[in-house]
Amino acid sequence: RKEVEQDPGPFNVPEGATVAFNCTYSNSASQSFFWYRQDCRKEPKLLMSVYSSGNEDGRFTAQLNRASQYISLLIRDSKLSDSATYLCVVNERAGGGADGLTFGKGTHLIIQP
Amino acid sequence: DAGVIQSPRHEVTEMGQEVTLRCKPISGHDYLFWYRQTMMRGLELLIYFNNNVPIDDSGMPEDRFSAKMPNASFSTLKIQPSEPRDSAVYFCAIQGGGQRRGYGYTFGSGTRLTVV
Repeated sequence: RKEVEQDPGPFNVPEGATVAFNCTYSNSASQSFFWYRQDCRKEPKLLMSVYSSGNEDGRFTAQLNRASQYISLLIRDSKLSDSATYLCVVNERAGGGADGLTFGKGTHLIIQP
Repeated sequence: DAGVIQSPRHEVTEMGQEVTLRCKPISGHDYLFWYRQTMMRGLELLIYFNNNVPIDDSGMPEDRFSAKMPNASFSTLKIQPSEPRDSAVYFCAIQGGGQRRGYGYTFGSGTRLTVV
């Protein structure tokens, strides 16, 4: 069974700290990877794609380790507004077909003042 | 940027009643997905359409669930008869319409269904 696994948390982190969490995936043929953010009682929204070379968007850095089949998300200088659930998403289709996304259950992050 | 509009936002119904959830994609798309989210199971794919044609409905729990997409601007998910275990948030999502393949989805705001 192909799965995407995440630590559900919650991660309680003081404001200004750096926090990182990982996600593992079981299908070695997976083609593309994403992090989504979901606020309480809202829909998931794309946070960032994860590229093989790693990528950074402001305070957020995503990394991919294909050999160990995990992706990571690092948040620096955390803000209260970063409190949310972060969903790891993997596209398992060869060729990156649009219909192949598998969602993890999410990691709950709480930034404390 | 309202890519997908879902209605109703909340629905409370009695067990045995028919429930119809609606999805209206605003922006262009090639694919439309229906997901269900619960605390226990996370996001589950129920069914998806490609160019209005149902492609995979293997995630539909049972025959009580049905989905249609009569045109590119409208889709429905129907539950008949509804049961308490159907209580969840139902999301409609789209992908495509110019985005590169393999890119993420745009979700609607969801319908929170409670069956009592």
